[in-house]
Amino acid sequence: GAVVSQHPSWVICKSGTSVKIECRSLDFQATTMFWYRQFPKQSLMLMATSNEGSKATYEQGVEKDKFLINHASLTLSTLTVTSAHPEDSSFYICSARDWTSGGAGELFFGEGSRLTVL
Amino acid sequence: AQRVTQPEKLLSVFKGAPVELKCNYSYSGSPELFWYVQYSRQRLQLLLRHISRESIKGFTADLNKGETSFHLKKPFAQEEDSAMYYCALEGTSGSRLTFGEGTQLTVNP
Repeated sequence: GAVVSQHPSWVICKSGTSVKIECRSLDFQATTMFWYRQFPKQSLMLMATSNEGSKATYEQGVEKDKFLINHASLTLSTLTVTSAHPEDSSFYICSARDWTSGGAGELFFGEGSRLTVL
Repeated sequence: AQRVTQPEKLLSVFKGAPVELKCNYSYSGSPELFWYVQYSRQRLQLLLRHISRESIKGFTADLNKGETSFHLKKPFAQEEDSAMYYCALEGTSGSRLTFGEGTQLTVNP
């Protein structure tokens, strides 16, 4: 099946710094990608929908200035956690739909990026 | 609003026993339901979707609109089925996916 790759897999940063996480669709183009956040032993919570060439759509309660999303190409979306604080420590997961090459619109997930803010 | 509920956080069965992971949903329209699985240290992946009516790895799930349920079943559990299972709902095709809280299935030898 299609592959979605995230980088980095894990990152540790100091409080107050910004961290960028990349999400790439490796063998298909994705006009829409989704960013989720997962706390330990909890479900995936949708943070925002990333739209290629336009602004992201944020879920209620998610600070758009805190979590900057850029979807500059059909294969890359980035999530930047600005001025990170320890409470931002979490597992961030992206996903993308494969509508191309006869894909049935199945959602494929990245391996996740674990952020730890000290 | 769309909502998915998985009442069991943990489920433990013995190898060869039947297993059923419960999922109930709330949605005003016609939903599309999915089961996703996450094996240890692996990414989330699609197990099955109700419109496909497939049996994947011996698992089946039937959408019951009357009971608003989409329970996942397997007649004979295997140790390799041990994983985290998430039920998910999609309202309009291609729209956001809402996940349940997940059920951690452990199949004991």
